[in-house]
Amino acid sequence: TQLLEQSPQFLSIQEGENLTVYCNSSSVFSSLQWYRQEPGEGPVLLVTVVTGGEVKKLKRLTFQFGDARKDSSLHITAAQPGDTGLYLCAGAPGRDDKIIFGKGTRLHILP
Amino acid sequence: DAGITQSPRHKVTETGTPVTLRCHQTENHRYMYWYRQDPGHGLRLIHYSYGVKDTDKGEVSDGYSVSRSKTEDFLLTLESATSSQTSVYFCATESEGQGSDEQYFGPGTRLTVT
Repeated sequence: TQLLEQSPQFLSIQEGENLTVYCNSSSVFSSLQWYRQEPGEGPVLLVTVVTGGEVKKLKRLTFQFGDARKDSSLHITAAQPGDTGLYLCAGAPGRDDKIIFGKGTRLHILP
Repeated sequence: DAGITQSPRHKVTETGTPVTLRCHQTENHRYMYWYRQDPGHGLRLIHYSYGVKDTDKGEVSDGYSVSRSKTEDFLLTLESATSSQTSVYFCATESEGQGSDEQYFGPGTRLTVT
């Protein structure tokens, strides 16, 4: 079974701190997506990373795809309460494979 | 925003009754998906569709059926609801040709089977 493992499962930090969450697999992915889900809503796509070693920035969020395309990280600088939510990574291992989702990192930013 | 709506948003039903959830999209996306989200399991694929009248099973399809008679609508039916089907159900769409597996989700339906 191809899995996407996300760590940590839960993270609670103070506003203004920096943090990194991880998405790891033993399989190679053609691309990985990151989503954020707020309570009572569906996941919302944040970014897609495609090329090994790629770094994408979305304001205070920095996404990196591992060189071997087996892992990805999300770094948040100066976290704000609005960053609170469930962060999911997702991807399809092969061109014809269905997308699989990690179980997510639940992030809580304390004001 | 892919313009995806789900109905109903909340439903309570009794064990053994049939239930149909509806997903409607306005973006003309070819692919549509039904997921369920449960604590400890994350998002799991139930069924998906790659076109009108073209559907296939996902990871957790037992007890569920789907139909897609129009591009914009994807229905999920629980033939005889069980308590194990209490969950939050999400519909998602994906545009053909993007090549990057990006999905757009609806707001979800919270289903409780008593």
